[in-house]
Amino acid sequence: ETGVTQTPRHLVMGMTNKKSLKCEQHLGHNAMYWYKQSAKKPLELMFVYSLEERVENNSVPSRFSPECPNSSHLFLHLHTLQPEDSALYLCASSQDLSVEGAPYNEQFFGPGTRLTVL
Amino acid sequence: KNQVEQSPQSLIILEGKNCTLQCNYTVSPFSNLRWYKQDTGRGPVSLTIMTFSENTKSNGRYTATLDADTKQSSLHITASQLSDSASYICVVSLHSGNTGKLIFGQGTTLQVKP
Repeated sequence: ETGVTQTPRHLVMGMTNKKSLKCEQHLGHNAMYWYKQSAKKPLELMFVYSLEERVENNSVPSRFSPECPNSSHLFLHLHTLQPEDSALYLCASSQDLSVEGAPYNEQFFGPGTRLTVL
Repeated sequence: KNQVEQSPQSLIILEGKNCTLQCNYTVSPFSNLRWYKQDTGRGPVSLTIMTFSENTKSNGRYTATLDADTKQSSLHITASQLSDSASYICVVSLHSGNTGKLIFGQGTTLQVKP
C-alpha cells in the first residue's frame, strides 16, 4: 500500500462516545498533519508533528487529542464532541517541515474521514 | 491578515471548453503558491507549485500563472474533461517559523457537463 491512508473513511458518533481516527503514511516522511475541512470553508490546520514531536497546536479544543507514536502513524482521539465538529478530517504528510530554502516541501493528503456527530 | 480568496465559488462548463479560476492573496512573507485538486470524497492532490520568481507552470492541461506584484494567480484548464469535475484549492505558503504555514482558499467547485 502506498501514499497516505486513513481509517475509518466514515464515522458516525454520539456526543458521549469516544473514538479514534487513524492515519498511516507509507512515504518515509518525517512530518504529519491533521486538518479539518468543513463545508464551504477553507481547510483548517489542527496539529503538526515533526519526528513524533508536536510542533503546532492551532487552538484546538481539548476534546481533540492527537497522538503520534512513530513517524508513520498519527491518531486523533475524539471524546465528547459537538455536532459542529462534523466535518472531513484530513491527514497529510511531508518529507520535512517547510523551512526557508526548501519551499517545495509538498504535503500529501490522505482521503479523509467523514465524521458526523449526532 | 493573511488571506486567500478564490473566485468564482462554483462554475459549470461543458466538456471540451476551457476555463480559468482566480486566486487573490494577501499573504506575507510569501514563500510559494500551490494549486490542489480535490475530488469528491478524496484528499487534495497537488497540481502545481510556484515560487515568486516563477510566473507560469503547466501540468498537462492545467496551467497556473502567478503575478507576485498584484498577488494574483490563475489556474487555466484547457479542453475540459468530465474527470476535471472537482474542487480546486489555492494555497499560499508563508515563512512562519519552521512550520511553513499554509493559508488555504475556500476552493472553487468545478462541474464539467457532457
